[in-house]
Amino acid sequence: DAGITQSPRYKITETGRQVTLMCHQTWSHSYMFWYRQDLGHGLRLIYYSAAADITDKGEVPDGYVVSRSKTENFPLTLESATRSQTSVYFCASSDRVLSFFGQGTRLTVV
Amino acid sequence: DQQVKQNSPSLSVQEGRISILNCDYTNSMFDYFLWYKKYPAEGPTFLISISSIKDKNEDGRFTVFLNKSAKHLSLHIVPSQPGDSAVYFCAASGGSGNTGKLIFGQGTTLQVKP
Repeated sequence: DAGITQSPRYKITETGRQVTLMCHQTWSHSYMFWYRQDLGHGLRLIYYSAAADITDKGEVPDGYVVSRSKTENFPLTLESATRSQTSVYFCASSDRVLSFFGQGTRLTVV
Repeated sequence: DQQVKQNSPSLSVQEGRISILNCDYTNSMFDYFLWYKKYPAEGPTFLISISSIKDKNEDGRFTVFLNKSAKHLSLHIVPSQPGDSAVYFCAASGGSGNTGKLIFGQGTTLQVKP
């Protein structure tokens, strides 16, 4: 099915653990993004990628790492999870005009 | 520094009436504005957009107005329906080296009462 998928949908992890959120798109869009949604802040950009092997920081990149070895995949890694990273994470891909979002990953760090 | 602001966290309207959601921005380099709608446990979905060269764009029950001098845009929903109850995000893009990345407002939760 065409679209953008995220996995897992829900994740609980412990403080200090490494966790990776996956994102896969089938449109071959060059641009991909990771946002986090928090009450009172809306959606804030964590990292984005213009193409395979090209990534750049967004508004709130600290504590996160991304990679993009293939156009269709854009995983987000929390190297050492903290409670402040409890959030809902959205991946998106863009044709440079419209962004299309995945269903989100709800991450809880305990 | 919040470049896109939605100052009303919530809005409640009666079914059939008009819903007006507001958004302000500070960066005059933004040249494209979008509204996204989000239901619980789902990702945001695109609703309507407007280029900075226009002041109005209409799509069915949804109309977006842009006032560049005031750096303000608004989304009008007429008539409002219970299915419109959702969180609405205003977003802006543009500037040098446009990458398509969006700057979002905080969101407004719209409740349409039957």
